[in-house]
Amino acid sequence: GENVEQHPSTLSVQEGDSAVIKCTYSDSASNYFPWYKQELGKGPQLIIDIRSNVGEKKDQRIAVTLNKTAKHFSLHITETQPEDSAVYFCAASKGSASKIIFGSGTRLSIRP
Amino acid sequence: DVKVTQSSRYLVKRTGEKVFLECVQDMDHENMFWYRQDPGLGLRLIYFSYDVKMKEKGDIPEGYSVSREKKERFSLILESASTNQTSMYLCASKAPANYGYTFGSGTRLTVV
Repeated sequence: GENVEQHPSTLSVQEGDSAVIKCTYSDSASNYFPWYKQELGKGPQLIIDIRSNVGEKKDQRIAVTLNKTAKHFSLHITETQPEDSAVYFCAASKGSASKIIFGSGTRLSIRP
Repeated sequence: DVKVTQSSRYLVKRTGEKVFLECVQDMDHENMFWYRQDPGLGLRLIYFSYDVKMKEKGDIPEGYSVSREKKERFSLILESASTNQTSMYLCASKAPANYGYTFGSGTRLTVV
């Protein structure tokens, strides 16, 4: 089955700098790649997603890139702010009828 | 907005007890999921359901069962709780045509 690996497990960046989280997946049939943010005491929330027919998607300070050939996808957060501190999960799925497989999570801390 | 409500935020149970974790969603979603979240392991799928009275095993079903008698409610049952079931439990739902999940806030279960 699908396996999603996520790195790093923890990441600390200075406020205003950029943060990058990387994931790889094993099943070439996967075609949907969401990213979830989990704040303290809350459930994960979808923040951005990308489908396999595009290579990059941006939403304000957040962008996701996908390299289907290498089976890599990454989350980029620019101009980081204190409210970006959270645990981030990448995930992969083979479509709307399939379950989502999650990575192990990255704890992002923003230093003031 | 879709709301997924988990009945308890914190639970403490004794070894050997039968434990029920309840999840209710208010958007008529067919698909519902139970995950457990452990540090360094990400979100692991326990059970899921595509419709009323239907259930499918996820990746770690051992020691758990589920019940889906009504569309809006998906219950996770620990038949005889053990200390290795101490974890954060997350419920999620989605509509069949959608890709992303909506999560509840989680139930932190401690088995002593």
